[in-house]
Amino acid sequence: DAGVIQSPRHEVTEMGQEVTLRCKPISGHNSLFWYRQTMMRGLELLIYFNNNVPIDDSGMPEDRFSAKMPNASFSTLKIQPSEPRDSAVYFCASSTPGTSTDTQYFGPGTRLTVL
Amino acid sequence: AQSVAQPEDQVNVAEGNPLTVKCTYSVSGNPYLFWYVQYPNRGLQFLLKYITGDNLVKGSYGFEAEFNKSQTSFHLKKPSALVSDSALYFCAVSRPGNTGKLIFGQGTTLQVKP
Repeated sequence: DAGVIQSPRHEVTEMGQEVTLRCKPISGHNSLFWYRQTMMRGLELLIYFNNNVPIDDSGMPEDRFSAKMPNASFSTLKIQPSEPRDSAVYFCASSTPGTSTDTQYFGPGTRLTVL
Repeated sequence: AQSVAQPEDQVNVAEGNPLTVKCTYSVSGNPYLFWYVQYPNRGLQFLLKYITGDNLVKGSYGFEAEFNKSQTSFHLKKPSALVSDSALYFCAVSRPGNTGKLIFGQGTTLQVKP
């Protein structure tokens, strides 16, 4: 069974450009989580979805960040416009059935560099 | 509010020696506790979790963790460290009714030297 799939694995862009990160959760998982990892702030939860509905987006840093989950097998995290301080590794994770006891499985991450 | 603390940024052990990576937590109600490992340029991999029952939890790659409610701790242990155990380790906590939201500690780098 394939794990969580993220694309692209690496993204280099210039300040002001739009960036879209993609995630395909494990089939059958109905919760999806977006995290950001930096040296300064560690691992931060940005937003999570349950049954395609955003449950908690309090971690989204500002309006430049948006996330969608149009169906159970796909989610996007968009940054528009991007800034150098957005440079980080972005992880997607999924779990089932989305209760506190369930294990989150992480994708390999997208390393974003904003010049 | 929930929080997790990993008091050591780095732990150094010699191969073959026992290792401990410390974690303490603060959460109202009964905690659900997790350990994850991250190898360089990889995503986080699940090691083990405590939900209820036996305070000693066994996980992947020979790791185990002991839940101590009175000390609000969930330390990760392994009897004999391997060089290949060198990685970044994260402790995380959630609680009942929180729909799976995990709060992570800042991570501890484990360095195992030959």
